[in-house]
Amino acid sequence: EVVLTQSPATLSLSPGERATLSCRASQSVSSSLAWYQQRPGQAPRLLISDTSNRAAGIPGRFSGTGSGTDFTLTISSLEPEDFAVYYCQSRSGWVFTFGQGTKLDIK
Amino acid sequence: EVRLVESGGGLVQPGGSLRLSCLASGFTLNTYAMTWVRQTPGKGLEWVATISGTGADAYYADAVKGRFTISRDNSKNTLDLQMNSPRVEDTAIYYCARLGYGSRSFDYWGQGTLAAVSS
Repeated sequence: EVVLTQSPATLSLSPGERATLSCRASQSVSSSLAWYQQRPGQAPRLLISDTSNRAAGIPGRFSGTGSGTDFTLTISSLEPEDFAVYYCQSRSGWVFTFGQGTKLDIK
Repeated sequence: EVRLVESGGGLVQPGGSLRLSCLASGFTLNTYAMTWVRQTPGKGLEWVATISGTGADAYYADAVKGRFTISRDNSKNTLDLQMNSPRVEDTAIYYCARLGYGSRSFDYWGQGTLAAVSS
């Protein structure tokens, strides 16, 4: 079973700064890596699928890169609404795995 | 507009049973595999079960295999999760989510329903 490890656990930044979130897989997941945003009291929202494809309606400041075991979500210039928890997720056959999350909070 | 609305959550005793439902609208349900994902209060996300578009195939996380059953009724646009013999550790918010067509990620989520297992 694939284990996804996200780092850092918490990232404290200011609006306008660049955020870089990491997700490392215990074995290669090819390009099967998605990112979700979860704001307090809300359901997760798909941001990025298949490593780098932005979901419908997701602003261009969100981008995803990586392959194999190392993946990155970058937010180029943080807006106030971006402070939330971010999860990565992969699929292997019919098993789906989530990372433990990175909390992005305001410095 | 795609909408997923969960219901059926509540308090159940360990060893009892609870049935969660998800009503889908805004898309052709039988085209999509559907999934239940849960989130323990204050913690992360955990995949629970997925069912194929026709309902012929179902897949479960080891933690719930043999106790939970996922099912669907495409004629009624509903997805269900039958929770039998729940344990305290099954307490969570349960989300219904759509697996994107030809995709490996969940493109739409419901707002969740809380299932609390306690004596």
